[in-house]
Amino acid sequence: AQSVTQPDIHITVSEGASLELRCNYSYGATPYLFWYVQSPGQGLQLLLKYFSGDTLVQGIKGFEAEFKRSQSSFNLRKPSVHWSDAAEYFCAVFPGGGADGLTFGKGTHLIIQP
Amino acid sequence: EAGVAQSPRYKIIEKRQSVAFWCNPISGHATLYWYQQILGQGPKLLIQFQNNGVVDDSQLPKDRFSAERLKGVDSTLKIQPAKLEDSAVYLCASSPQGRDFGYTFGSGTRLTVV
Repeated sequence: AQSVTQPDIHITVSEGASLELRCNYSYGATPYLFWYVQSPGQGLQLLLKYFSGDTLVQGIKGFEAEFKRSQSSFNLRKPSVHWSDAAEYFCAVFPGGGADGLTFGKGTHLIIQP
Repeated sequence: EAGVAQSPRYKIIEKRQSVAFWCNPISGHATLYWYQQILGQGPKLLIQFQNNGVVDDSQLPKDRFSAERLKGVDSTLKIQPAKLEDSAVYLCASSPQGRDFGYTFGSGTRLTVV
């Protein structure tokens, strides 16, 4: 079955430290891949997306993600986190087909320690 | 540019009651989506509209959920009768026509069924 897995439910990182959030997908072909961020009481905001081409994708707020076909992964990274990065992060895929709906992972809750 | 507007922000109802949510997408966005986000999970697509036609409603529990998008602009999502497991945040999103996946999400309506 097609799926998106975010293995880490919670991650705690010290402010100023680097961050990597993991995302694995299970699809027959290379899907379109996305990372979204959701702050409390807010809707989801797109951080970055990958359709094709360069496997290292730059996004907003200093985030980047790398697509690795051999590992079916699309991990999100940031070299130095800020307290304002504390939020819920969702990986999502567009599996193809006639509709445009995305399939989301369960999310990773990022906690920033001072 | 105004964002996606949703109302109400919060709603508490008893099981077996009915409830309706409203969404006003970004002006000119042809595609509108309703997602259900249960606590601790990622959003799940319920229905996608293209203008005022339904593109995908395969995950909409049609025995109790209904949605419409009259005139291809505003949309309402209704639940009748509500069950305890319908407690969730209901997110509306819109995007321009075309597959760039430039979704803009609203802040959502948090429904609690008691």
